[in-house]
Amino acid sequence: DVKVTQSSRYLVKRTGEKVFLECVQDMDHENMFWYRQDPGLGLRLIYFSYDVKMKEKGDIPEGYSVSREKKERFSLILESASTNQTSMYLCASTLRGGHMNEQFFGPGTRLTVL
Amino acid sequence: EDKVVQSPLSLVVHEGDTVTLNCSYEVTNFRSLLWYKQEKKAPTFLFMLTSSGIEKKSGRLSSILDKKELFSILNITATQTGDSAVYLCAVPNTGGFKTIFGAGTRLFVKA
Repeated sequence: DVKVTQSSRYLVKRTGEKVFLECVQDMDHENMFWYRQDPGLGLRLIYFSYDVKMKEKGDIPEGYSVSREKKERFSLILESASTNQTSMYLCASTLRGGHMNEQFFGPGTRLTVL
Repeated sequence: EDKVVQSPLSLVVHEGDTVTLNCSYEVTNFRSLLWYKQEKKAPTFLFMLTSSGIEKKSGRLSSILDKKELFSILNITATQTGDSAVYLCAVPNTGGFKTIFGAGTRLFVKA
């Protein structure tokens, strides 16, 4: 079974702090994604990566950066956390690109910024 | 702009009822549509639909796609409390890297 893990289930940070969210997948998937999920808005793509050291902006990249130094690990960084970044963050991976691959999701990190 | 719209946003039913969840889409170069179930945490994959009119079935859940009218439905028969979840509809866009998700339908099944 594919396993996608995220470093924290719940996180509380203060405005202005630097926040790291880690995601690890164990199935040698090429593609990894970071989403945020807010009520009524569904999942919105922040960044994705299709290879080590490669990254692409999603729909809402502002205020975020990412890092993919190893194939299995994709990190999301909030350089200076703000209250409007309070959300559920979901990491996902797929074996390869294209339209025929479902995404495997991690359990999510619920981040609260005070 | 590509979009995926789900309805209703929320639904409360009694155990044993049958429900139909709707998903309409406007996505350039459509190739596939996926349904996920999300309980407390990670969404889990249910179905992938690529062809019109072919029903996919898994137990009490079934789904069908209409590529002419640009929508899909997810049916759940004889609902159980364990079906309570958010159901997400998703469509990969051109190239397949970006997936557009609907806002989800929150289903609550009362015992």
